[in-house]
Amino acid sequence: DVKVTQSSRYLVKRTGEKVFLECVQDMDHENMFWYRQDPGLGLRLIYFSYDVKMKEKGDIPEGYSVSREKKERFSLILESASTNQTSMYLCASSFGQGPYEQYFGPGTRLTVT
Amino acid sequence: GIQVEQSPPDLILQEGANSTLRCNFSDSVNNLQWFHQNPWGQLINLFYIPSGTKQNGRLSATTVATERYSLLYISSSQTTDSGVYFCAVGNSGAGSYQLTFGKGTKLSVIP
Repeated sequence: DVKVTQSSRYLVKRTGEKVFLECVQDMDHENMFWYRQDPGLGLRLIYFSYDVKMKEKGDIPEGYSVSREKKERFSLILESASTNQTSMYLCASSFGQGPYEQYFGPGTRLTVT
Repeated sequence: GIQVEQSPPDLILQEGANSTLRCNFSDSVNNLQWFHQNPWGQLINLFYIPSGTKQNGRLSATTVATERYSLLYISSSQTTDSGVYFCAVGNSGAGSYQLTFGKGTKLSVIP
């Protein structure tokens, strides 16, 4: 079974803090993704990576950066957290170059106060 | 980009009833997935179905790619089926492997 894990289920941070969200997958997948989910807006792609040290912006990259130093790990970084980044963050992974099935982690519910 | 519309947005069913959820998309796709989001927020993979028909227990799905829609059937619904169902599509021919999600159908199954 594919397993995607995220470092925290719930996280509370203060405005201006630097925040790291980590995602690990155990299936040797090439592609990894970060989405955020907000009521009324659905799931939107922030960044994705198709290989180690490679990254591509998604639909809403502003205020975020990412890091992929190892194939199994993809980190989402909020350089200076703001209240409008309070959201549910979901990580996903998929195999190879093509239309392959994506598998999601359990999500991190981040609150910025 | 691809637009994805799901209907209905909300659905309330009596336990044991059947239902059909619909997903329309605006462009050709080679990736289509159905997910169930449980109350804790986890997205559970139901079907990977860019075309054709698949069945898994009480659930089945059909995608007619040429007509740009997919249907998810739930038979003999149970309270544990409650949650939000998402359709997500993608087209890797555009050089991206991302999925575009619909807004979801919120299903409530009452005893």
